[in-house]
Amino acid sequence: DIQMTQSPSSVSASVGDRVTITCRASQGISSWLAWYQQKPGKAPKLLIYSASRLQSGVPSRFSGSGSGTDFTLTISNLQPEDFATYYCQQANSFPYTFGQGTRLDLK
Amino acid sequence: QITLKESGPTLVKPTQTLTLTCTFSGFSLTTAGVGVNWIRQAPGKALEWLAVIYWDDDKRYSPSLKTRLTITKDTSKNQVVLTMTNMDPVDTATYFCAQSSDWFDPWGQGTLVTVSS
Repeated sequence: DIQMTQSPSSVSASVGDRVTITCRASQGISSWLAWYQQKPGKAPKLLIYSASRLQSGVPSRFSGSGSGTDFTLTISNLQPEDFATYYCQQANSFPYTFGQGTRLDLK
Repeated sequence: QITLKESGPTLVKPTQTLTLTCTFSGFSLTTAGVGVNWIRQAPGKALEWLAVIYWDDDKRYSPSLKTRLTITKDTSKNQVVLTMTNMDPVDTATYFCAQSSDWFDPWGQGTLVTVSS
């Protein structure tokens, strides 16, 4: 199985800040990576796919980059609705695997 | 608009078999490339992918749960069914279904299944 490791596990930030979350795959996955946002009690929502493609309807303050084993999710100009948990997911090979999540809290 | 909704028991006893149904609309599971996945999330834990079934009846399972899982589809009813045998308290989780080609989108709202005697 491909292991996905996110860092940090949690981060505190303020409205207007810029935050970067990283995701590392245990082996190369090309650009087969997605990012999801999950709010408490809700299903995850797809933000980014193919490492850097913004899902329709997702604000442009979200961006993704990387390929191979190292990936980043950047949120610019944090908004109140962005405080949530973020997960990366690889779709390079089965079994599909997720990172352990990064909780973004309001400072 | 694509929607998915999970249904099934909220409480099962240890050793019992869990049967969950994902009922969807807005797409067809006969369309090339389309799949429906099951993903679960134990309370306070990360997401765990369980299984997927594709339009052509190709099925893939999580290796760690493969012996306990069966995924099937009924295209006439727009449903995908997941069965999990020999349930254990560690299987307590919210179970989601999600459409995919490669990425999970959209998701159902999830259904919480508690395993307890």
